[in-house]
Amino acid sequence: QVQLQESGPGLVKPSETLSLTCAVSGYSISSGYYWGWIRQPPGKGLEWIGSIYYSGSTYYNPSLKSRVTISVDTSKNQFFLKLSSVTAADTAVYYCARHVRIVGYSDAFDIWGQGTLVTVSS
Amino acid sequence: QSALTQPASVSGSPGQSITISCTGTSSDVGGYNYVSWYQQHPGKAPKLMIYDVSKRPSGVSNRFSGSKSGNTASLTISGLQAEDEAAYYCSSYTSSSTWVFGGGTKLTVL
Repeated sequence: QVQLQESGPGLVKPSETLSLTCAVSGYSISSGYYWGWIRQPPGKGLEWIGSIYYSGSTYYNPSLKSRVTISVDTSKNQFFLKLSSVTAADTAVYYCARHVRIVGYSDAFDIWGQGTLVTVSS
Repeated sequence: QSALTQPASVSGSPGQSITISCTGTSSDVGGYNYVSWYQQHPGKAPKLMIYDVSKRPSGVSNRFSGSKSGNTASLTISGLQAEDEAAYYCSSYTSSSTWVFGGGTKLTVL
């Protein structure tokens, strides 16, 4: 079955760049669909960060757009998140998810990774 | 973009039905049939329960149903069970080609 797994440093210093990888198994990214990143600060709700199509087309949350880059490597079946100039407010569990977006037909985040906690602290 | 509005908490007894609301605007919930609902147990990843307002993914109990009226979407859980106790989040596509989540609702099964 389709599985997603996040990986990356659990601790990032303020002002540095947070970098995460999402490895997809059981489905080829280049077969279609979008792929998204969502985060959840401790004890708080979900926040959509951005989504990328396998071809590289992206959508970003306007509140994070100036600091976010999402990219994809179809040869490795992975996609990536980079968030620059981080502060303590970026401390959260970061989830990657398959984003089933079929314009005019359907839209949902149907399969999620287990999440990875990233703490921003010196 | 502003988060969709959900009640912070709802509760119900086993066997009862509860409804969780999700209020947005004509630029998101009211403008598109792309509302989805997610269940999240503590320490776990969210799980898709309803998509496209009222569709259920394979494997999700038919006790879960979704609907929409105007700018407000609703998730109804019938025949409440202890295992339904969790946080529930709604999400919607927006006219800005972005996606927004609700603040979340904690369901307590009494």
